Amino acid sequence: DTEVTQTPKHLVMGMTNKKSLKCEQHMGHRAMYWYKQKAKKPPELMFVYSYEKLSINESVPSRFSPECPNSSLLNLHLHALQPEDSALYLCASSQARADSSYNEQFFGPGTRLTVL
Amino acid sequence: AQSVSQHNHHVILSEAASLELGCNYSYGGTVNLFWYVQYPGQHLQLLLKYFSGDPLVKGIKGFEAEFIKSKFSFNLRKPSVQWSDTAEYFCAVIGSGYSTLTFGKGTMLLVSP
Repeated sequence: DTEVTQTPKHLVMGMTNKKSLKCEQHMGHRAMYWYKQKAKKPPELMFVYSYEKLSINESVPSRFSPECPNSSLLNLHLHALQPEDSALYLCASSQARADSSYNEQFFGPGTRLTVL
Repeated sequence: AQSVSQHNHHVILSEAASLELGCNYSYGGTVNLFWYVQYPGQHLQLLLKYFSGDPLVKGIKGFEAEFIKSKFSFNLRKPSVQWSDTAEYFCAVIGSGYSTLTFGKGTMLLVSP
């Protein structure tokens, strides 16, 4: 299985709602990533988990809260978002070797989030 | 720091024309290089990658790229484009000692039938 799955595909939420995005992979990868992608822009890294521990937080606002409950799952909890947070949220996974030669990232299809 | 520069933001071609999209990176050490494609409304897909070995890399859908270390370049090519190649193309790099990808700003390719 070489797939990264993400649910839901689409999400519309109000600024006072609490919602969660989910990501799952069964490739045995121990590094997982959240990216945010605005239209016609490259993905921007938000968080990196390595061996279920948060290793990189790219100064993301606290209204985004990541969670890695086990080696196959990655969640992104959303609370009190702003309309400018509307974007495509991509999950990716990779092996977590120190030698970056093997750290090819596999991307999921994304969750298209609209904040009203 | 690692960085990527894509030369063209928009490219418009007719079907059957040849394609070359420029990508230059900035990093002094060993690099791994990638080209991703994103079709309208869809997610990122890996077109091809360079890790080591033969600098001419062949990917899916007839695309290829050449790693020229002396020029810090990894240009994407296709001899004859199709309308279905209309998409956004992203070059990305990860340097040794880094754990995260750096993407270029992307090139929007529009192929007219």
